[in-house]
This record gives sequence, structure tokens and C-alpha cells, in this order.
Amino acid sequence: EDKVVQSPLSLVVHEGDTVTLNCSYEVTNFRSLLWYKQEKKAPTFLFMLTSSGIEKKSGRLSSILDKKELFSILNITATQTGDSAIYLCAVGYNNNDMRFGAGTRLTVKP
Amino acid sequence: EAQVTQNPRYLITVTGKKLTVTCSQNMNHEYMSWYRQDPGLGLRQIYYSMNVEVTDKGDVPEGYKVSRKEKRNFPLILESPSPNQTSLYFCASSLIRSLGVGEQYFGPGTRLTVT
Repeated sequence: EDKVVQSPLSLVVHEGDTVTLNCSYEVTNFRSLLWYKQEKKAPTFLFMLTSSGIEKKSGRLSSILDKKELFSILNITATQTGDSAIYLCAVGYNNNDMRFGAGTRLTVKP
Repeated sequence: EAQVTQNPRYLITVTGKKLTVTCSQNMNHEYMSWYRQDPGLGLRQIYYSMNVEVTDKGDVPEGYKVSRKEKRNFPLILESPSPNQTSLYFCASSLIRSLGVGEQYFGPGTRLTVT
């Protein structure tokens, strides 16, 4: 069965900490992996990864994909309270199927 | 402004009363999709559409119908809602890239309660 697993499910850190969120997957005909941030509303797009070993970076956030080991990580450095959100990983596979993980709830305390 | 709109945003209804949640996008995206979000389960795909008159089942299609008569609209229909369809629903749209579905743009969500 195709699946996307995120860990940890929940994480509490203090401002300034660095966090690493994990996303592993088992799907047929992998095509892409996407990260989204969800605050108290709709998810918003962060990164799309299709090739192994190429880091995508935006400010304090970065992400990388390992297609051999079937996982991706999302790093957030120098966390701020505004980073508190649910982070969702989604995997595109087969023709145009899309599966989301359960998400990681990140709480950043002042 | 590029956006995905959904209506209504909140809906409380009773078991068995047919309802439709509308979804519209103004970005000329080929791909549109419906998800439901329940605590601890992330987003689960209900139906998606690659283009006009082309729809496919996602992971949890039972109890739902969709149609894609125009490129911009993708309504979600619950013919006979039941309490287990109480959830937060998101519509999303995307371009289709060479490697499949690209980044999705999400609507604001519809919180549905079925009593």
C-alpha cells in the first residue's frame, strides 16, 4: 500500500532552536515530494523536490530529498514563534496521484 | 488576485439532506482536487480532476460526487450526508508539470458538520 509517514507527529521547541522534520514514503512510480505549511487556515506551499541531493532553500527553511532511502527532511534554523504550524509532506506518484502524510505539529515557545 | 474560493465556509446540516460545496479557481489550472482533513489523519484526497470532464477517485471517495463541466469550477456533492462526513474540506488547484502535479493552491476550507 502506498504510504507517506511523517515524524515526529508533534514537537515543542524554544525560539532559536533548530528543528528537523522527517518524511518517509513508499509509493509506486515516485514523481515528486512537496512540503506545505499550515497555520490556522489553508496549507501554503514551501518546496517541491524531484531530484536527490539537491537542497532547496528559502530563508531559514531548507529541504532535501533522498530517493534511494525514500525520505526527505525539512530543516528550520533559528526558529521563531511564527514558525508554529503543522508541516505537511505530500508525495506525487503514478500519473497524478497525491498522498499527504499526517503532518508534524511544531510549537515554538518564546 | 490569484485564488481558490470555496463556498460555504461553514455548514451545519442534517443526515440525508443533499448539499453542494462549490470551488472555483481563477488561475486556469488544469488540475483540481478535493481533500478532507481530520485530526491526526492529515489531508486525504477525495476526488481529483485532470481537466474538463476528467475525474478520478482519490483515497476516500465513498459518499461523494464531483463534476468538472468548466475548467474553473469543481463542485463537491454529498448526495446523502452522514455524521462520519463531518470534517474540514479543502479544494485545491495546480498546474500539471512535466513531472506531474505541481504545487497546489488551496481554498480557505469548508467546515462541515452533519448531525
